[in-house]
Order: sequence, then C-alpha cells, then structure tokens
Amino acid sequence: DAGVTQSPTHLIKTRGQQVTLRCSPKSGHDTVSWYQQALGQGPQFIFQYYEEEERQRGNFPDRFSGHQFPNYSSELNVNALLLGDSALYLCASSFGGAGANVLTFGAGSRLTVL
Amino acid sequence: AQTVTQSQPEMSVQEAETVTLSCTYDTSESDYYLFWYKQPPSRQMILVIRQEAYKQQNATENRFSVNFQKAAKSFSLKISDSQLGDAAMYFCAYRSYGSGTYKYIFGTGTRLKVLA
Repeated sequence: DAGVTQSPTHLIKTRGQQVTLRCSPKSGHDTVSWYQQALGQGPQFIFQYYEEEERQRGNFPDRFSGHQFPNYSSELNVNALLLGDSALYLCASSFGGAGANVLTFGAGSRLTVL
Repeated sequence: AQTVTQSQPEMSVQEAETVTLSCTYDTSESDYYLFWYKQPPSRQMILVIRQEAYKQQNATENRFSVNFQKAAKSFSLKISDSQLGDAAMYFCAYRSYGSGTYKYIFGTGTRLKVLA
C-alpha cells in the first residue's frame, strides 16, 4: 500500500522564479495538507485541501497557492520565489471525516532558492 | 492562539535505557488532540503516539508512552528500552478538536541521540 508520495524530492530555483510541487495522498485518504519546514524548525501549516477546495489556510502570503484534483492529489505553487522560501515542503494526507484526522506524511520536497 | 514548546533541543540516551522528552503547550480550549511525531534522517514524519485531551488515561504504544498532565498543559514522551533506530527528531504537535480548524501546530523538535 503506497503511502504519501511527493515529487520532486529536491529542486533548486533562483529568486523570482515559480515552482510547483506535487503530492499523491495515501490510498483511502481524501484530504491533503501542506507544511513548510525551515531548517531546524518544526513544520508550519500552509493550507489544507478537501473536496477540491482550500479548507483552511495558515499565515502564508498569496504567493503560495494550491490545488486539489478529483483523484485527491494536490499541487503546491509558489510564485516570485524568495531566499526565505528555501525549506522542506511536506505534504500530509488524512481522511477528512470527523475525528483526529491523523496525518500521514510524505518524505518532502527540498526546495533551495538561490 | 495555541503554542507548543519543546525546551530540549537535544537529548542523549544509552541503548536499552529510558528517556523522557518534554513538551508543554498553551491553549484556552478544553478539547484537543496531542501527538508525537518522529522524523528520521529520511525526512518522513512518522506518528509515534496520540492522545485525546478528554481521555484521562495516558496513551501507550509498545515502548512509547506519554505522561499527559492537562492542568499543567504538559505532554511528555517516554521511550523505554531505547534502540538505535529511535534516533531521530521528535516533534510534539497540537490540534484543536472542533470542526473548522484542521491545522497541526508543531514544536521546534528535540533531537534524540541513542548511544551504543
């Protein structure tokens, strides 16, 4: 049973560029959350998608946007990249029904902005 | 707003010994969930244990157990019979119980080293 898969695993961009990160949730999960983990820090919530809609958003600028597809997979887009966007981006899936919504994480996409 | 604090940036434990990782949190809510996640060098966060605030009984999962002190807003993780594979970053996390809020709030983590 495949868990959460993310691509790409590593990528390097320059300031001002745009990036798209992709995530396929664990089988049976319908909800996708994205987190940013800066070096030496805990993950910070970016947003969550459920039923193809953004259900909740953290304190991130509009440069961060996302999408969820009918098959529950998701993309995270970041425009006008800044040096401070360098981080590990974690995708987590869960079942969107009531309850603890225990998150299952992917291995992340390491973004370096030069 | 809720906050999660892990005051131990790094801990060491001898193999087969017991270690306790600390976590405190701040909230005005009465119902919530607490979690411990492990992040090995492979980067993938793995759920270790979870606790529902309305349950007084402390959660246990094999060698892992928690000491949940609701009044003190403390949620420590005890690892018994430590193994080399337990070496990782450990993150404490909080999630509100009510609908309409789905984000997890993580602490800054504790790096656990296991000495052979």
